[in-house]
Amino acid sequence: DSGVTQTPKHLITATGQRVTLRCSPRSGDLSVYWYQQSLDQGLQFLIHYYNGEERAKGNILERFSAQQFPDLHSELNLSSLELGDSALYFCASSVVVTGDYETQYFGPGTRLLVL
Amino acid sequence: AQSVTQLGSHVSVSEGALVLLRCNYSSSVPPYLFWYVQYPNQGLQLLLKYTTGATLVKGINGFEAEFKKSETSFHLTKPSAHMSDAAEYFCAVSAPGRRALTFGSGTRLQVQP
Repeated sequence: DSGVTQTPKHLITATGQRVTLRCSPRSGDLSVYWYQQSLDQGLQFLIHYYNGEERAKGNILERFSAQQFPDLHSELNLSSLELGDSALYFCASSVVVTGDYETQYFGPGTRLLVL
Repeated sequence: AQSVTQLGSHVSVSEGALVLLRCNYSSSVPPYLFWYVQYPNQGLQLLLKYTTGATLVKGINGFEAEFKKSETSFHLTKPSAHMSDAAEYFCAVSAPGRRALTFGSGTRLQVQP
């Protein structure tokens, strides 16, 4: 158990709908990362938040957005869902060890199926 | 820009045999390198990491990897495979100033009895 929790574990929805995925980082971790794992694209970085502020964006679609709240939990919002959005969505949290280096700890993921 | 190439999407070994999973990276700055393992229906677990210092890195479950700058490689090895090692393994790279991980496409390891 990494200490990172994600809810829900599974989500089934229809095209055009909107869903919210939730992540609670490990106690004390200020950074939260979102990754998408799909058969087509593999594991891809979506977005990074640090202490409530967006720090970096990866291959995140405009239909997707995220935020990190004052209690450090994060939500990933996916809207106007398409079949191709079906994937496993991981959240990771991290702590700075020394300098710029971080170890990321991954949650169990949310499996999204868009029908 | 950074990238990771994992040679071999599937590797099959016999129980007790050497495990060798290959990873080559591309990075314009000194990289940080990681191996993660993903068991079925689970998240990613960190096996080991290289940041600076000793180029031979030991991780959990008997795995180790060696950073070879001249070959831009970070191959993962284990002297003797166990059935419980069957999983998917991901090599990843990051670098100073770039915190997000760039992952390879993964290698699925099968261990035959």
